[in-house]
Amino acid sequence: QSVLTQPPSVSAAPGQKVAISCSGSSSNIGSNYVSWYQQLPGTAPRLLIYDNDERPSGIPDRISGSKSGTSATLGITGLQTGDEAVYYCGAWDSSLSAVVFGGGSQLTVL
Amino acid sequence: QVQLMESGGGVVQPGRSLRLSCAASGFAFGVFSMTWVRQAPGKGLEWVTVISHDGGSVHYADSVKGRFTISRDNSKNTLNLQMNSLRPEDSAVYYCVRIGYGYDFGGGFDPWGQGTLVTVSS
Repeated sequence: QSVLTQPPSVSAAPGQKVAISCSGSSSNIGSNYVSWYQQLPGTAPRLLIYDNDERPSGIPDRISGSKSGTSATLGITGLQTGDEAVYYCGAWDSSLSAVVFGGGSQLTVL
Repeated sequence: QVQLMESGGGVVQPGRSLRLSCAASGFAFGVFSMTWVRQAPGKGLEWVTVISHDGGSVHYADSVKGRFTISRDNSKNTLNLQMNSLRPEDSAVYYCVRIGYGYDFGGGFDPWGQGTLVTVSS
C-alpha cells in the first residue's frame, strides 16, 4: 500500500491528452514539493517534473505538472506511442522523514 | 556527462550482508545529496535511504532502518550502501540516484544509475 495514491492505469488515443493524479496528505504533498518520473520498460526511471511544475532541461513542454492542496497532477498532451510507460509521483513526507512514492500508473496510448 | 555506476549486487543468503557502491562522475559529487531507490521485480519504486551532500544528515525507510547504512566518500566520488541481515523481501534492483533538483530530500531525482540486482535467497 503506497503512501501516495495513483490510478493503476490510464489510457488515451494518440494525439490526445491525459492527466495522471497523485493523492497524498498534509505531511507529504500538502507541505512539500512533488516530482514525477517516467519508467519505460526495462529502463531506469527518468525525471519529468520537479518542484510540482518545473521541467528539467530536455523535457518537452507537452509535459506539465501541477499541485493543489494534497493532490498533484501530471499532464501529457500530444500523446505518442513512445509515451507508453509507468509514471510515478514522489514527495518528501515530513512526518515519516522519508521519501514516498505512488504505486505507479501504466499509461497506454491506444 | 553525468554518470552513476552501481556495483556489488549479486545473490546472497538470508541473514548475510552485502555492500553496494556507486561511482559518480561528470559532476561535483560533494555538492549533491544522494539517495538509493529499489524496485522489486514487477513492482513499483521504493525509496530506501538518503544522505546529504556532506554526510551530516541521513534518513532511512522503516523497512531497512537498523539494517542498512548509507555512507559517502566525497574524496573518491563514491556512495555506499551497507546492507546487513538481508531478507528475501530486500530482493530488488537498487538504483543510485542524485538529487539533482529541488529544495528538499524529495526533490528531483536525476540522474539514475542503471541499477544493480540484489537477490536474497537460500
